[in-house]
Amino acid sequence: EAEVAQSPRYKITEKSQAVAFWCDPISGHATLYWYRQILGQGPELLVQFQDESVVDDSQLPKDRFSAERLKGVDSTLKIQPAELGDSAMYLCASSLTGNTDTQYFGPGTRLTVL
Amino acid sequence: GENVEQHPSTLSVQEGDSAVIKCTYSDSASNYFPWYKQELGKGPQLIIDIRSNVGEKKDQRIAVTLNKTAKHFSLHITETQPEDSAVYFCAASSINFGNEKLTFGTGTRLTIIP
Repeated sequence: EAEVAQSPRYKITEKSQAVAFWCDPISGHATLYWYRQILGQGPELLVQFQDESVVDDSQLPKDRFSAERLKGVDSTLKIQPAELGDSAMYLCASSLTGNTDTQYFGPGTRLTVL
Repeated sequence: GENVEQHPSTLSVQEGDSAVIKCTYSDSASNYFPWYKQELGKGPQLIIDIRSNVGEKKDQRIAVTLNKTAKHFSLHITETQPEDSAVYFCAASSINFGNEKLTFGTGTRLTIIP
């Protein structure tokens, strides 16, 4: 069964450092999502791609976060500089069309900022 | 934007008994309501979903009901088993910047007591 791949699974960094997360969606899925999940809460959307285009980044802190999906396949989420409050699980999900079809989640990257 | 409330935050039931988790949403235009199960250290996995043109949907021991008038939907798990222990999230899909966006509840930690 096809799965969403993410790496690394865990990342520990010091504040003010740069971090990057990678996501490979299910093959053929046009829509890719990055979510942030703070411990004890539900996932919150950071950015949504349709193919290579950003369609929603309204909740992305653009002063420090950036995301790209250059060829409309895999994607990278970057934080620079990291802050203590960025400690969370970063989840990637993909769906076939983005139109109320199932979102499949990857295992996530657990980020700890010291 | 959409607001999803989920109750209870924790739930303990005896093995074999039923568990019910309830969610309410605010956007009357929402038309897709998935439920996700998240095990420790893993990403959320879809277990069942329902669309606004249906009042109830069942899949073996899991069922979901939707009341569009009252804007609430519920997850029902019957004959609970130890492997049902996990955190469950409800979500509602609404239109945001012309795109479908999932808003998640805060989660219910379900513990099945053997």
